[in-house]
Amino acid sequence: DTGVSQDPRHKITKRGQNVTFRCDPISEHNRLYWYRQTLGQGPEFLTYFQNEAQLEKSRLLSDRFSAERPKGSFSTLEIQRTEQGDSAMYLCASSPPGQTVQETQYFGPGTRLLVL
Amino acid sequence: DQQVKQNSPSLSVQEGRISILNCDYTNSMFDYFLWYKKYPAEGPTFLISISSIKDKNEDGRFTVFLNKSAKHLSLHIVPSQPGDSAVYFCAAKGVDSNYQLIWGAGTKLIIKP
Repeated sequence: DTGVSQDPRHKITKRGQNVTFRCDPISEHNRLYWYRQTLGQGPEFLTYFQNEAQLEKSRLLSDRFSAERPKGSFSTLEIQRTEQGDSAMYLCASSPPGQTVQETQYFGPGTRLLVL
Repeated sequence: DQQVKQNSPSLSVQEGRISILNCDYTNSMFDYFLWYKKYPAEGPTFLISISSIKDKNEDGRFTVFLNKSAKHLSLHIVPSQPGDSAVYFCAAKGVDSNYQLIWGAGTKLIIKP
């Protein structure tokens, strides 16, 4: 399977704990995106990487959220001191070089986070 | 405030008929609009898009119409097939961002046999 993969698929944690999610994009895709989706809503953009550089970051991304893509391949999204409001589906997407609009984003299956 | 609105949470259509999904937006600075389809337990997949300089784009059974004066776009699926049953999201991109999309809440389309 050469699609975007995310790990874990599900995560249950207690309030105040830290969690980290991983995204492996399609190989040779240099652009990577993180989104958050809550029940009954569409995805909300969180951040965007081109290679290892984080080029865009939503105002929604509080200081407790941090994303990295150290070698320009896989990416991690960490949430520190989780809150119940962080419960959501976290989606990762990637797109190949040369694209200027988001029509060719390929999404992973998401990581569902539940904060108790 | 929601800049992209899909006011119908669900829509049921007979197989073979036309499905029309609607989307309204409030920001006149949006310059690109996209439709994505999502099956359960999968991420969204791109379906069709339209630039704000056009009023129609067609791809096979799928056509997107844009009415800028009304700030409204619609997705037409003709003829509807059982495999079209999914959640459809409308998304928009503003001129001030190359990669940030604003998404609607989605419409669940059910195709009845």
